[in-house]
Amino acid sequence: EAQVTQNPRYLITVTGKKLTVTCSQNMNHEYMSWYRQDPGLGLRQIYYSMNVEVTDKGDVPEGYKVSRKEKRNFPLILESPSPNQTSLYFCASSSLYYRGAFFGQGTRLTVV
Amino acid sequence: AQTVTQSQPEMSVQEAETVTLSCTYDTSESNYYLFWYKQPPSRQMILVIRQEAYKQQNATENRFSVNFQKAAKSFSLKISDSQLGDTAMYFCAFMKRNGGSQGNLIFGKGTKLSVKP
Repeated sequence: EAQVTQNPRYLITVTGKKLTVTCSQNMNHEYMSWYRQDPGLGLRQIYYSMNVEVTDKGDVPEGYKVSRKEKRNFPLILESPSPNQTSLYFCASSSLYYRGAFFGQGTRLTVV
Repeated sequence: AQTVTQSQPEMSVQEAETVTLSCTYDTSESNYYLFWYKQPPSRQMILVIRQEAYKQQNATENRFSVNFQKAAKSFSLKISDSQLGDTAMYFCAFMKRNGGSQGNLIFGKGTKLSVKP
C-alpha cells in the first residue's frame, strides 16, 4: 500500500529538549516536504527536498532542520524546541509524474 | 510568489443540497496545478480533486466539481448532494508544474464546512 508514515503521532516535550519526527515513504518519490498547520493559517511549508542530499527552506524554516540521506526518509529535527513550535506537522511526498502529494497522518507536537 | 486565498472561513449546508467553496490565487506562472484537499476530524489530508492549468475543461470527481477560471485566477469547488461525511476543513492549494519547487504545495487558510442533517 502506498503511504507516507510519520512518527510519532503525538508528542509532548519540554522547551529545549531536542526531538526528531520521522517521515518515510514507500513510493520512491523524489519530492518530500514538511508543513505545519496552525488554526487560521492553513498549512505552511517548513522545508522541502527535491532528492537525496538536496533540501531547501520553505516559508517558515526558523528553528527546524532536515536531512535527506536516503530517498525514502526525510526527518524533521527540532534542536531546541520552543512553545511557538506547538503545532500539527505533516510530511508529504510527490513525484514528477504524480500531480499532487501524499500526506502522512500528522504529528501533534506540544512544547511546554 | 504565489498566494492562495479562501475568503470563506466557515460555511454550512443542509444534507443533500449543493454548496460552493471559493478560492482565488495569484501567480505569474503559466504552468501549474490546482487542488482541493479535504481534512476531516481525523486530520488526514485527502486529495479531493485536481485541475491542470493548461486544461480548459473543468475537473469532476463524482459529486465534486470545480469551476476553473484561469483569467480570473479563480478555482471554486462545488459539492453536490452534500453528505454528512463531507463535513471537514477544505483547503485550496497551488503547485508549480515545472522548476525547482515542483512538488511544493501552497495552501489557502481553509474553509470549514459543516453539513447539517
